[in-house]
Amino acid sequence: QQQVKQSPQSLIVQKGGIPIINCAYENTAFDYFPWYQQFPGKGPALLIAIRPDVSEKKEGRFTISFNKSAKQFSLHIMDSQPGDSATYFCAAISAGGSNYKLTFGKGTLLTVNP
Amino acid sequence: DTGVSQDPRHKITKRGQNVTFRCDPISEHNRLYWYRQTLGQGPEFLTYFQNEAQLEKSRLLSDRFSAERPKGSFSTLEIQRTEQGDSAMYLCASSLSRGRSTDTQYFGPGTRLTVL
Repeated sequence: QQQVKQSPQSLIVQKGGIPIINCAYENTAFDYFPWYQQFPGKGPALLIAIRPDVSEKKEGRFTISFNKSAKQFSLHIMDSQPGDSATYFCAAISAGGSNYKLTFGKGTLLTVNP
Repeated sequence: DTGVSQDPRHKITKRGQNVTFRCDPISEHNRLYWYRQTLGQGPEFLTYFQNEAQLEKSRLLSDRFSAERPKGSFSTLEIQRTEQGDSAMYLCASSLSRGRSTDTQYFGPGTRLTVL
């Protein structure tokens, strides 16, 4: 059972475009939703994160929109640059239990053309 | 801050051989996680340590897998009798746990295992 569904699988935009990556979750116990960015040959790196009591969070060119009732959240990248080309993963962590393990989506390969 | 380091970065082995990977977390991080990432997928949780105690293991971690974190510092992940299905990137992450889900997990570069 995939607990975090991510789409699209891949995305190509032109420089300056606004790619949008969507995620949906099923487990209502999730209470923290980070996004990770991964470059080839590197481990994932935390990009931005949001809690469900906030509908939007912005950090630089990256914005998360969160819809708690729909159990959906999305990442927007403003003024995208070729250096943003990477794989992006949404993730979720449950408040229940104590392990704080990350549950990841399958990832979106973003290509930003010059 | 040198970040999380993993060794080796790449490992090619023949089916049936044993392999061991090492992870050095960020200094003073008390939690350490192991994840596995296959091509085209997100990382999947394998196990985690709070200091030296291994507190949870995923069903993905068969009895051929064993992880240790002696003295609560570095950790090793051993796979015995490797199978082709074990081919994946093995990622280590660490965090300074304050008992909150918002504790950031910092990932290492991973060890890519290829089983021939």
